[in-house]
Amino acid sequence: DGGITQSPKYLFRKEGQNVTLSCEQNLNHDAMYWYRQDPGQGLRLIYYSQIVNDFQKGDIAEGYSVSREKKESFPLTVTSAQKNPTAFYLCASSKGQYNSPLHFGNGTRLTVT
Amino acid sequence: AQSVTQLGSHVSVSEGALVLLRCNYSSSVPPYLFWYVQYPNQGLQLLLKYTTGATLVKGINGFEAEFKKSETSFHLTKPSAHMSDAAEYFCAVAQDSWGKLQFGAGTQVVVTP
Repeated sequence: DGGITQSPKYLFRKEGQNVTLSCEQNLNHDAMYWYRQDPGQGLRLIYYSQIVNDFQKGDIAEGYSVSREKKESFPLTVTSAQKNPTAFYLCASSKGQYNSPLHFGNGTRLTVT
Repeated sequence: AQSVTQLGSHVSVSEGALVLLRCNYSSSVPPYLFWYVQYPNQGLQLLLKYTTGATLVKGINGFEAEFKKSETSFHLTKPSAHMSDAAEYFCAVAQDSWGKLQFGAGTQVVVTP
């Protein structure tokens, strides 16, 4: 079945370490997105990519980086510059059209101590 | 810029009662609107979407939503709540032609026996 795979489901890191979250899709979608979810704040867009080798900052890109070397993959790195990295991170993909719904992975819960 | 506002961060309903979740949008162009559901520690799942055409949209799990342009609303309803409807619900509006979505803050639904 087609879908989006995020790994790992839970991730624990020490403060000051960079960490990379994986996102892979086999839906043949052009567009991919990373959202951050915090209680009571809904989903906030971190980065998005419309095509391979191109990506744009979302609303809260500071302290994060991404790459899009393959259509299927869109990894997110949470750097030590991110002041409050503990959160639930969701990856999504879509056909990249105005009326296209997003398809979500099951998320990675990152805890930094 | 397009945006959505969900009225009520928490809603409690009795099993068998009507579920009504409110969403109002702001859009400078004809809006494309979506409702998603999220179960604990999972990603978001599409319930239904409005693009053009019929203003009453039917979705999965017995949910439906009505687009009212005059009221800039897209409220979600289900005639009879089931225990399995306990989840968080998000309204979203398309922001651009590439399918980027702006999400509301979410409404947590609790179903009581």
